[in-house]
Amino acid sequence: QLQLQESGSGLVKPLQTLSLTCAVSGGSVRSGGYSWSWIRQPPGKGLEWIGYIDHSGTTYSPSLKSRVTISVDRSKNQFSLKLSSVTAADTAVYYCARGSWFGDLGYWGQGILVTVSS
Amino acid sequence: EIVLTQSPGTLSLSPGERATLSCRASQSVRYSYLAWYQQKPGQAPRLLIYGASSRATGIPDRFSGSGSGTDFTLTISRLEPEDFAVYYCQQYDSSPRTFGPGTKVDIK
Repeated sequence: QLQLQESGSGLVKPLQTLSLTCAVSGGSVRSGGYSWSWIRQPPGKGLEWIGYIDHSGTTYSPSLKSRVTISVDRSKNQFSLKLSSVTAADTAVYYCARGSWFGDLGYWGQGILVTVSS
Repeated sequence: EIVLTQSPGTLSLSPGERATLSCRASQSVRYSYLAWYQQKPGQAPRLLIYGASSRATGIPDRFSGSGSGTDFTLTISRLEPEDFAVYYCQQYDSSPRTFGPGTKVDIK
């Protein structure tokens, strides 16, 4: 059974870079036909798609594109999110997820709350 | 960008009743690349329906999806106590792969 687990700093200062990692177990990031995604959810609000990485490269939300980097570390079987120049508006629960070939998100991590505050 | 609108915002029903949730897209979602997710408090979303009408693995058959183009529906035939949650639709036809704002199904 595929499992995803987010990790990283839960508190980030304004204008610094948020860095999160998603460890994959029960499967491999080397597997073809899947995308590795990040989604976030501000407290009490809805889901916001951040972007994904697959065999073709990366695709990001236009609203975040200038600040986001998603990468894969095949040696560690994990993928990562970096979001630069954060503000309080970036405070959210961040989820990693695996997408099918088509894009539906069948597997999710439990989520990690990241708070942006000085 | 495809904007998804969900209605109603909140649906108050009793266990055993039928729930009908709507998701409308600002432009046609090709190939019915639309999914539905269920989210309970403190939990990650769970995939219910993909391709507009295919149930994900392990999803009970009281959940069904339908629709194409710009209008999609999630139906829960008979609400069980564990079905009271927030439901989101998402299109994955084009980037950004937007989510709808959600419909909360709560106990009447």
